[in-house]
Order: sequence, then structure tokens, then C-alpha cells
Amino acid sequence: DAGVIQSPRHEVTEMGQEVTLRCKPISGHNSLFWYRQTMMRGLELLIYFNNNVPIDDSGMPEDRFSAKMPNASFSTLKIQPSEPRDSAVYFCASSDRLLQQFFGPGTRLTVL
Amino acid sequence: AQKVTQAQTEISVVEKEDVTLDCVYETRDTTYYLFWYKQPPSGELVFLIRRNSFDEQNEISGRYSWNFQKSTSSFNFTITASQVVDSAVYFCALIYGNKLVFGAGTILRVKS
Repeated sequence: DAGVIQSPRHEVTEMGQEVTLRCKPISGHNSLFWYRQTMMRGLELLIYFNNNVPIDDSGMPEDRFSAKMPNASFSTLKIQPSEPRDSAVYFCASSDRLLQQFFGPGTRLTVL
Repeated sequence: AQKVTQAQTEISVVEKEDVTLDCVYETRDTTYYLFWYKQPPSGELVFLIRRNSFDEQNEISGRYSWNFQKSTSSFNFTITASQVVDSAVYFCALIYGNKLVFGAGTILRVKS
């Protein structure tokens, strides 16, 4: 059974460019989470969806960040415009009602 | 407030030594779940264990064991006879609502 799929695995872009990260959750999971990992702040939750509906986006840093989940099998996290301080590893995770979150491999974003 | 503290930033041991990773949590909830995740050098986050607040029995899985003590709000993780492949960052986490709150992580280095 496939796990959480994220793409791209690595992204290098220049400041000011738009970045879109993609996630396919595990089939049947009804919750999806976006996390960011940096050395300074560790692992922090950005936003999560339940049944495709955004429930809590209090961790989204600012208006430059947006996330969507148009259907149960796909979600995007967009940064527009990107800044060097957005450089981090972004993880997507999904879970079922048992609360166990399964993480994708992450996208390593570098903004120059 | 929900908080997870992993006071050990980094631990170095020699192969075959036993090692314990400490985790202390804070929560006002009477029902809660605790987790341990492993992040090897490859970067993915690997689920190790979930424990609910009603079950204080210690758990053992091969060389891994967990000691959950509500009286001290601790959920410590012990690796017996450590191996080089155990080298990773280990995160303790607490569920708050549907969100994972992570500790800062403990870097474990196992030397041969």
C-alpha cells in the first residue's frame, strides 16, 4: 500500500517566485496535515484538513502561504511570493480516526 | 498549554550500550495520546508508538521499550543494546485536538 506521496522532493527557487508543493494522502484517510521543519523552530503544524475542509490554519506564517484540498486525494501548499526564510523541509501527513499520522518523505525547499 | 519537552539535545553512545531518551509533557486534557517518531538521516519521519493516557502499562517491542508515568508526566523511550542503525533524531509528541505538538527532538549518535 502506498504511503503519503509528496512532490517535488527537492525544490530550489529564487526569491519572489511562486512555489507549489503537492501531497497525496493515504487512501481512506480523512485528515491531512502540513508541517514545516526548520532548525530554529523544529517541527510545526501549518494547517490541517478534515474531510477536505480546513480546520485549523493558525500555524500558517502569513498571507503568502495558502493551502487547498480540492478532493480527498490531493492537497497543495503554495507560497507566493517565496522568501529565503521559507527555506525548510515541508512534510505532509495523513491520518485516519485512530489519530496515528503517517508522514510523507518531505519536500526540501531552498529559496535563494 | 500543550507542551512537550525533550531536555536531551544530543546523546552519544557506543554500540551495544542501552540508552534512554527522556520526554516530559504538559497538558490539561484528561484524555490524550503520546507518540514517538524516529527521523533517520534520510529525513523521513517514522512512527514508533502511540500510547493513550488510560494505558500506563509499559510497552516493549524488540529492543525498544517505553515507560509511561502519568504521575511525573513522562513518556521515556529506551533502546537496549543500541546499534549504529539507531542513529537518528527522535521526537516525542502529544496530540492536542487533532494536532501533533512535537518536542524539539533528541539526536542519538551510536558509534561502532
